[in-house]
Parts: sequence; C-alpha cells; structure tokens
Amino acid sequence: DQQVKQNSPSLSVQEGRISILNCDYTNSMFDYFLWYKKYPAEGPTFLISISSIKDKNEDGRFTVFLNKSAKHLSLHIVPSQPGDSAVYFCAASAYSGTYKYIFGTGTRLKVLA
Amino acid sequence: GAGVSQTPSNKVTEKGKYVELRCDPISGHTALYWYRQSLGQGPEFLIYFQGTGAADDSGLPNDRFFAVRPEGSVSTLKIQRTERGDSAVYLCASSLERGETQYFGPGTRLLVL
Repeated sequence: DQQVKQNSPSLSVQEGRISILNCDYTNSMFDYFLWYKKYPAEGPTFLISISSIKDKNEDGRFTVFLNKSAKHLSLHIVPSQPGDSAVYFCAASAYSGTYKYIFGTGTRLKVLA
Repeated sequence: GAGVSQTPSNKVTEKGKYVELRCDPISGHTALYWYRQSLGQGPEFLIYFQGTGAADDSGLPNDRFFAVRPEGSVSTLKIQRTERGDSAVYLCASSLERGETQYFGPGTRLLVL
C-alpha cells in the first residue's frame, strides 16, 4: 500500500512559469514532510520541508503548501528555470524526530527554455 | 564541506556472489541510513544507525542483507548470495542527529546478472 503518492509521473513547464508538483498521503500520523530533487546519477538533494503545525513554508523560489484535511501537499516553483529539470520526490515521516522517511514515486519535471 | 560519499558508484556481480557497499557520512553526523531505490520507485528505508548500533533494521528485506557501522562513522552494507532482484540503487544518507534532515549520497548502482 503506497502511503505517499505522486500521481503525476511527469510534468512539462515553460521557463519562467510556475511549476506545481503534487503529493498525497494516506497516513494521518505523518507530521513532517519534505521535498527532494534528484538529478540523474546523483543522490536526492534536500529542497524544503514543512511540519504539520504549518500550512506553508517558503524558501526563495520554492514554496511548499500543506493541506492536512485533504492529506495533500504541493511544491510550487516560481519562476521555473531549466536547471530545475529533475525528478522531485516528496517524503513523509510520522512524529517529528523520527528517521524513517516514506517516499513517493517521484515526478519528472522538465522546464522548457 | 564534503557530502556523503559512497563506493563503488557501480557494481556488477553475478547471482550468488557476495557484495559490500560502503558509505562515508558527513563528518560529525551521528545518524546514518540506508535506502534502496528500484527503477521507477522512490527510495525505500532499509536500516538506521545511531552511532555504532543499528537502531532499526526493519526495512532489510531478508537475512541476506546485513549492515555494520563499527566506529560510528563509515558504514558497510553487505549482501550475501545476491539475487537478480537485488539490482537497484543503494542510497546512504546521514543526519546530524536523529530527526534532523537527511542528506543523501550519490548511491551505488548494483546490477546482479
């Protein structure tokens, strides 16, 4: 049973526009969420995180939104740049301070110049 | 500073052979994690070390898999009697303490023929 789902395997966006990547989860015990970016032949790189006590966290061009009632989070990238082209994984953990991240299957973002 | 490093970057072996995969965490990080990523999937948790001890090995698929971290720094993942289904990217991550953000290495791509 996939507890963290990324239902869009791929997404194409024009340079300068907004990219919105979505993630749904089923486990109501999850209270900490992260987004990682992965380039080919590299490990996942941490992007941004959010605790369940917040509904928004912003870091430069990246903003993560959390809707606990819908068990949904999204990553917004504004403006999108060609260098953002990568696979994006969302991850979740139950209880802050835990260590076991549950990852989604990833969304491949392609930013077109 | 130096990130998490993993060696070898690629490993090709034959079914039934023994392999060792090495992880050098970020200096000073006490927590170390192993994940496995199969094609088209997100990383899946294998084992977590706090210091020298394996605090949680619940993700190891069977007893052919074993990991050690004898001095609380470098870790080795050992796979006995490899099977074709073991082919995957094995990722190592470390964090300053348990519950802190995990930083990933580039992974070891294991192919079992």
